[in-house]
Amino acid sequence: GENVEQHPSTLSVQEGDSAVIKCTYSDSASNYFPWYKQELGKRPQLIIDIRSNVGEKKDQRIAVTLNKTAKHFSLHITETQPEDSAVYFCAASSFGNDMRFGAGTRLTVKP
Amino acid sequence: SQTIHQWPATLVQPVGSPLSLECTVEGTSNPNLYWYRQAAGRGLQLLFYSVGIGQISSEVPQNLSASRPQDRQFILSSKKLLLSDSGFYLCAWTVGGATTRTQYFGPGTRLLVL
Repeated sequence: GENVEQHPSTLSVQEGDSAVIKCTYSDSASNYFPWYKQELGKRPQLIIDIRSNVGEKKDQRIAVTLNKTAKHFSLHITETQPEDSAVYFCAASSFGNDMRFGAGTRLTVKP
Repeated sequence: SQTIHQWPATLVQPVGSPLSLECTVEGTSNPNLYWYRQAAGRGLQLLFYSVGIGQISSEVPQNLSASRPQDRQFILSSKKLLLSDSGFYLCAWTVGGATTRTQYFGPGTRLLVL
C-alpha cells in the first residue's frame, strides 16, 4: 500500500518569509495529492491539490509542485502570515479509498 | 451544498464502556464515507471506509467497528473502550465513483477515555 513521508515535522519562520514542506510517496500509481491545513482543535481543511498530469499549481500565496519521477511533492507558502500557523498534512491517493496522509508539519509563523 | 455533521462534539467515557459516534452527510447521494482517528499531536489514521450501504472496509484491527445503515449515515462503535481509544475522531466524505477524490472532513468528536 501507499506510504507517505512528510518533512519537517516542525517548521518555524519569520512573518514574511517563505515556508516549504516536502512529502514523498511510495506507490507510483498515486495520481492525486491534496494538502490540508488543520488549525488547533479544528478539522483539516483542503487548501490545494494537484493531479499527476500537472507539475505545479498556484493559488495566491500557496503553490504545490510535483515530481512524479522522484515521487515527491512540496507545498510552498510565500509571504507567510501569523494566520498561516497550523499543522499541514500532505496525502496521496490512486483511487480514493487508498488515500494516505503524512504525519503532519507544525508550522509556526513568528510576527 | 454538501454538509457533514458529527456528534457528539466531545465525549468523556470510562474504560470498558460502549461507544457510538454518528456521522451524517447532507446534499449528496451515495458518498464514500471514512472514519479517521487522530491521536493528540499526531497524524490521521484511517479506520474504516464505506462505498455503500452495508459495505464496510476495515484498515486496522482494533476493538472498533463501523456500520452504514443508511446512504448518508456512518456510525463508529465499540463494545468496550480502551484507554488507547482516546483521540479526535473525524468522519470524511467524498463523491462516490467520481474521478475527483477530495475528502471533506466533519467537525470531529473529541473522545477522552478515563
